Amino acid sequence: EVQLVESGGGLVQPGGSLRLSCAASGFTLNNYWMSWVRQAPGKGLEWVASIKQDGSEIYYVDSVKGRFTMSRDNAKNSVHLQMNSLRAEDTAVYYCARGGLRYAFDIWGQGTKVTVSS
Amino acid sequence: DIQMTQSPSTLSASVGDRVTITCRASQSISSWLAWYRQKPGKAPKLLMFKASSLESGVPSRFSGSGSGTEFTLTISSLQPDDFATYYCQQYDTYSSWTFGQGTKVEIK
Repeated sequence: EVQLVESGGGLVQPGGSLRLSCAASGFTLNNYWMSWVRQAPGKGLEWVASIKQDGSEIYYVDSVKGRFTMSRDNAKNSVHLQMNSLRAEDTAVYYCARGGLRYAFDIWGQGTKVTVSS
Repeated sequence: DIQMTQSPSTLSASVGDRVTITCRASQSISSWLAWYRQKPGKAPKLLMFKASSLESGVPSRFSGSGSGTEFTLTISSLQPDDFATYYCQQYDTYSSWTFGQGTKVEIK
């Protein structure tokens, strides 16, 4: 079965850090762009970051540039999002999704909740 | 950055109704547009890709059209499972993958 499973969410204080992970199974990870999308409480979907198959290109939404780092380990079938200097406005459910440049986001994980609060 | 604008924001309809949602891009995205359905507390689900291609396993009551800057998603006969929020997304540009603000389809 093709699936993505996120982990690593939780409660963190403003200025803190979290590392989200996304475990892929049922497909060959290194054939696909991968992305992170978030959804703040009661709000719409917001694209966060995307990474090319070999990790050579990574793109971020302006609001997280310099704070978030997306990476991938194709050998371990995993994708990661290192989030530093977290702010209250980063509070959201974070989804891992298969897709990127000219490839729609066809597989989504169940999401992991991140809450930034003191 | 490309902006995506959906209309309406909310739509009230009954089971069996034909429903159309519109998505406009701030610049041409050719046909690199996807549609997703999201139910409360669940991950989004891909319905359409490349503007008019139906994702595998998605019922044929869903259809998409358009190119350039204007796109539509049509549900030919609304079913109980379709009361949800729908998002369009452009995936043309190298540096951003923008979503529309969403259209909530409610029971009339």
